[in-house]
Amino acid sequence: DAGVIQSPRHEVTEMGQEVTLRCKPISGHDYLFWYRQTMMRGLELLIYFNNNVPIDDSGMPEDRFSAKMPNASFSTLKIQPSEPRDSAVYFCASSPQSQPQHFGDGTRLSIL
Amino acid sequence: AQSVTQLDSQVPVFEEAPVELRCNYSSSVSVYLFWYVQYPNQGLQLLLKYLSGSTLVKGINGFEAEFNKSQTSFHLRKPSVHISDTAEYFCAVMWNYGQNFVFGPGTRLSVLP
Repeated sequence: DAGVIQSPRHEVTEMGQEVTLRCKPISGHDYLFWYRQTMMRGLELLIYFNNNVPIDDSGMPEDRFSAKMPNASFSTLKIQPSEPRDSAVYFCASSPQSQPQHFGDGTRLSIL
Repeated sequence: AQSVTQLDSQVPVFEEAPVELRCNYSSSVSVYLFWYVQYPNQGLQLLLKYLSGSTLVKGINGFEAEFNKSQTSFHLRKPSVHISDTAEYFCAVMWNYGQNFVFGPGTRLSVLP
């Protein structure tokens, strides 16, 4: 079992650039979650999907953030334009139930 | 609103010693409780969960936790830790039939030789 796969593992870019983070969930899992982790705020839920449909996006910081799940095997989190305060580790998780169970190894994002 | 508190941000302990990581929650409704572990540069792994039934829950890697409703606690314990248990541990609470889920701030466990 390959687990949850995230790409890229690291991303360094300049502010103002568009950033796209990708996630492949575990096959058969109906739920997909995007989290952000920082020292200051800990783990924050950004958005989660059930059967490819966004259920709760109240954690998405602002309009610069968007997430899509075009099919059961792929999701993206996009930041446009990026800002230095977006620097964090972004995790994708999938689960057969409504609580996150299997996390990817994360994308470490640095906005200069 | 429901919340999760982990009073100890860091817990150093010697190898083979017992450890308890504390978790308290505040809630006016029924909750489900979870513990996760995060090793350096990795995502979180589910250690154990309490949904119903026996208040003593056993998880992976020799960890266990006990749900105490009167004290609104869900402390994580291990009788003898290893160097490899060094990691960050997160308590989490779910309520409202799975509609709401929140992580605690985490406790960094450092196992010393």
